[in-house]
Amino acid sequence: GESVGLHLPTLSVQEGDNSIINCAYSNSASDYFIWYKQESGKGPQFIIDIRSNMDKRQGQRVTVLLNKTVKHLSLQIAATQPGDSAVYFCAENILDSGYSTLTFGKGTMLLVSP
Amino acid sequence: GAGVSQSPRYKVAKRGQDVALRCDPISGHVSLFWYQQALGQGPEFLTYFQNEAQLDKSGLPSDRFFAERPEGSVSTLKIQRTQQEDSAVYLCASSFLGTSGVSLLEQYFGPGTRLTVT
Repeated sequence: GESVGLHLPTLSVQEGDNSIINCAYSNSASDYFIWYKQESGKGPQFIIDIRSNMDKRQGQRVTVLLNKTVKHLSLQIAATQPGDSAVYFCAENILDSGYSTLTFGKGTMLLVSP
Repeated sequence: GAGVSQSPRYKVAKRGQDVALRCDPISGHVSLFWYQQALGQGPEFLTYFQNEAQLDKSGLPSDRFFAERPEGSVSTLKIQRTQQEDSAVYLCASSFLGTSGVSLLEQYFGPGTRLTVT
């Protein structure tokens, strides 16, 4: 399928390593944040979300950290696997908008080698 | 099907042609979104429907872009007189509407339609 990752920042890791993907968001009024994974030729797939009243949230092998002071979001993937190779986007939203129109960041390509 | 489907998956149009892109959301999902994703970029919001009502079209880049969802399920994004800058992947997403009237936050995306204008 076609690549969505051209000219994106790239993080290359070995299988089994922990990966950290960073995102700077733009709107200080945003109060809900989501990480999406997008594989080549597919639509974005929800990974994990966090609301602004939290600074950390854990899922299965993933952790999202939120630092509102510097408007920074990170996604940590533990024991990275080749199947984690994809482009990762953070997205922000304002809950009071009444519907979840998402503003996506630029994305980071994660390459996992066996 | 269980997920959001889009058709066609690939479309090549000559400059000036009109195109129509179809989205079948997940059954029961009231909210439907269209996004445009240029190569190497994140998706950008185009328009939002709640049932058949188009509540937000602030992201449509020009009046050549038109979207509809006449029966509150299938949606069509139409682009008239296509230009080269319209080349992108067009993504559709749907989400469930909560009882409070606020769209629940997880959006389910389709695979997209890759439009190439030559």
